[in-house]
Amino acid sequence: QVQLVQSGADVKKPGASVRLSCKASGYSFTSYYIHWVRQAPGQGLEWMGIIKPRGGDTTYAQKIQGRVTMTMDTSTSTVYMELSSLRSEDTAIYYCARSVLEYYFDHWGQGTLVTVSS
Amino acid sequence: EIVLTQSPGTLSLSPGERATLSCRTSQSVGSNYLAWYQQKPGQAPRLVIYGTSSRATGIPDRFSGSGSGTDFTLTISRLEPEDFAVYFCQQYGSSRYTFGQGTKLEIK
Repeated sequence: QVQLVQSGADVKKPGASVRLSCKASGYSFTSYYIHWVRQAPGQGLEWMGIIKPRGGDTTYAQKIQGRVTMTMDTSTSTVYMELSSLRSEDTAIYYCARSVLEYYFDHWGQGTLVTVSS
Repeated sequence: EIVLTQSPGTLSLSPGERATLSCRTSQSVGSNYLAWYQQKPGQAPRLVIYGTSSRATGIPDRFSGSGSGTDFTLTISRLEPEDFAVYFCQQYGSSRYTFGQGTKLEIK
């Protein structure tokens, strides 16, 4: 069955960087796009960006452009998301999600809590 | 960026009742690329409806979606206890995906 398994929770200090992973299984990795979506405590969903495994093309949300980098390792079917210059407002649960082309998100990872605190 | 506004913010209903959730977009959504997600506490969102009106795999037929242009609706015909959750709409018609702020469907 389709699974997106994310790395564990992390705590970072302001100004640091965090690198999260999302390991895909149960489907052809290069046939689907991967998105990152975050959710601050008690808040809604915020799209962060997309990576297309066939070629590695990325598009990022304007709000975090310059601080976010999405990469992938096709040999392990894993996507990575690095967010730098962390601030307290980056405290959130970060989800990866899969889409067919640039459509809806049909499977989601379990989420990773990132806490930014001094 | 297309802004999505959901109403009401909270909907209090009893099991067996009909739920109607609204999502309005600031611009017309191309090809009706509008989806709905259900999120329960401590869980990731789950796809419910895509393409405005198509049910995702495993979603019961009491869930239906409708709408076009800038006005979309998610209807749950007869609420079951497991339907009480937060619902988010999402547009994927532009390259900058956006979500509504959510409607919390709670037990009355």
